Amino acid sequence: QKEVEQNSGPLSVPEGAIASLNCTYSDRGSQSFFWYRQYSGKSPELIMSIYSNGDKEDGRFTAQLNKASQYVSLLIRDSQPSDSATYLCAVTSKTSYDKVIFGPGTSLSVIP
Amino acid sequence: EPEVTQTPSHQVTQMGQEVILRCVPISNHLYFYWYRQILGQKVEFLVSFYNNEISEKSEIFDDQFSVERPDGSNFTLKIRSTKLEDSAMYFCASSVERQRSRYFGAGTRLSVL
Repeated sequence: QKEVEQNSGPLSVPEGAIASLNCTYSDRGSQSFFWYRQYSGKSPELIMSIYSNGDKEDGRFTAQLNKASQYVSLLIRDSQPSDSATYLCAVTSKTSYDKVIFGPGTSLSVIP
Repeated sequence: EPEVTQTPSHQVTQMGQEVILRCVPISNHLYFYWYRQILGQKVEFLVSFYNNEISEKSEIFDDQFSVERPDGSNFTLKIRSTKLEDSAMYFCASSVERQRSRYFGAGTRLSVL
């Protein structure tokens, strides 16, 4: 079983819509969860982190964590063409906080 | 806003040569990391560094790789004898605490010919 899984996409949404990105992870003991955005040829850019079950909102972004289901998601409200990028889910290993494991990413395309 | 800086942005080298990639982490961060991303693949953890020693490394980080903090600001990754398969983007990152967010530099594109 892969450690961090994401749908590769591409996920296409119209401008102004809500984009929903999903991620599952295999290490039940994982404690820290991150969403990054990566534009082509660029480095990962932190969107938000989440550490406890429930929702966390930051502007147009909402992260949702369900440790029992080993599931973390990212909602992007009022999607803009500039949100078109690959979204990376990252999770700390249950054996080491030092090791953050990245998923393969979901490609998002926001259509004007 | 503080940021992680990496140099050079692009490094071209011949197979078998040594390369050193440089990074300046965010100044109040205590944990430093190297990741790599082969073109079209996912970001992979290489090594973490804290208190002047390696705290964790992946199976990718073999004897050809080493890291160093030669002074109070720089953090380096050395590849002793580069192979074609070392061609990738190498990202340096830093964090305040080990379980907190990693902030990434812009990366160094390493091309091994």
